[in-house]
Amino acid sequence: DQQVKQNSPSLSVQEGRISILNCDYTNSMFDYFLWYKKYPAEGPTFLISISSIKDKNEDGRFTVFLNKSAKHLSLHIVPSQPGDSAVYFCAASGLFGNEKLTFGTGTRLTIIP
Amino acid sequence: NAGVTQTPKFQVLKTGQSMTLQCAQDMNHNSMYWYRQDPGMGLRLIYYSASEGTTDKGEVPNGYNVSRLNKREFSLRLESAAPSQTSVYFCASSDQGDLNTGELFFGEGSRLTVL
Repeated sequence: DQQVKQNSPSLSVQEGRISILNCDYTNSMFDYFLWYKKYPAEGPTFLISISSIKDKNEDGRFTVFLNKSAKHLSLHIVPSQPGDSAVYFCAASGLFGNEKLTFGTGTRLTIIP
Repeated sequence: NAGVTQTPKFQVLKTGQSMTLQCAQDMNHNSMYWYRQDPGMGLRLIYYSASEGTTDKGEVPNGYNVSRLNKREFSLRLESAAPSQTSVYFCASSDQGDLNTGELFFGEGSRLTVL
């Protein structure tokens, strides 16, 4: 039972355009949502997070949107750069922080120069 | 600044052999975790340790044991390796009190192949 779902295994975007990565979840107890980025042969690194009291969080080129009623979040990258090519994981946790984060299956983003 | 260090980076085992994956962090974090990554499955939690002296099962604990040796070190042991345990294993740590970012710090991973 996959509680956090990333339905697009891969995505290709032209350099300079917007990349939109999507994530759906089923557990209504999830209260905190994060995105991690992973390059080959490296561990995942934290990118951006959002708590359920917000519907948007921005950090430079990265913006995460949360729609609680739809149990959906998305990561927008604008403008996309070649260095953004990586696997992106969506993750969620309950009220008390990042203990027992549940991860999605990941989306491989390729930025085309 | 080493962060989270895992050893070994690569290992090939035969079915039934045992081995221990070592993990150490130098960030004085309370919580440590072991995940495995498999194609199409994302990252799945095997075991975690919320603080020194405590360990708890995650989503996929069968076939594994862990030891929180001290605040810095958290090891993962496979007592009798099976081909289904072929995977990339990641150790991670976090400051449990940091609710602002929910950030986990990951090691570089250990690629294990069981023949």
